[in-house]
Amino acid sequence: ILNVEQSPQSLHVQEGDSTNFTCSFPSSNFYALHWYRWETAKSPEALFVMTLNGDEKKKGRISATLNTKEGYSYLYIKGSQPEDSATYLCASETSGSRLTFGEGTQLTVNP
Amino acid sequence: EAEVAQSPRYKITEKSQAVAFWCDPISGHATLYWYRQILGQGPELLVQFQDESVVDDSQLPKDRFSAERLKGVDSTLKIQPAELGDSAMYLCASSTRQGYGYTFGSGTRLTVV
Repeated sequence: ILNVEQSPQSLHVQEGDSTNFTCSFPSSNFYALHWYRWETAKSPEALFVMTLNGDEKKKGRISATLNTKEGYSYLYIKGSQPEDSATYLCASETSGSRLTFGEGTQLTVNP
Repeated sequence: EAEVAQSPRYKITEKSQAVAFWCDPISGHATLYWYRQILGQGPELLVQFQDESVVDDSQLPKDRFSAERLKGVDSTLKIQPAELGDSAMYLCASSTRQGYGYTFGSGTRLTVV
């Protein structure tokens, strides 16, 4: 994998559904994996920064896991709410603090 | 809560004109970044500053783009002349050190007509 890739590109779910997204990244020169939530007309907001293989982080109904050996991370949302509607960006941080972003997963939660 | 300030929020300019964006990072954040996000794509790094020094501008189209952070605090990104393909969201972010999340500004939406 040469670039940061996210799937799916977009997702429509019903309120209450649980969902998950995938982020694949190059394993070489890896330092950290970032997840951001970007709501329309707002700033991207940092959700998680993970560095260690096997890391799991949780914030409310949102959690993320990291596998640095195979180069992927999952973001999970349990019991989706309309306010979770946003674009979720992952980014791989290499040495020098540079982030390389994926194209994002656009989540729409229908009431 | 501290924020990264950006202005203007929106800018419409004619092609071949000059345009400038301003960013004031969170106080004490030594690293400042300018990213460009074209619709449907992920943000792409244009330039990274450490204090007043450029540490990465490999993706900055230097024939028309310039960036400065003279006193190591706020920063200006300039485009001259603007082209239709420059229409995008320009995001500024700052961070304290490696492995910490970035704090982003609200961005400047540029439309070149």
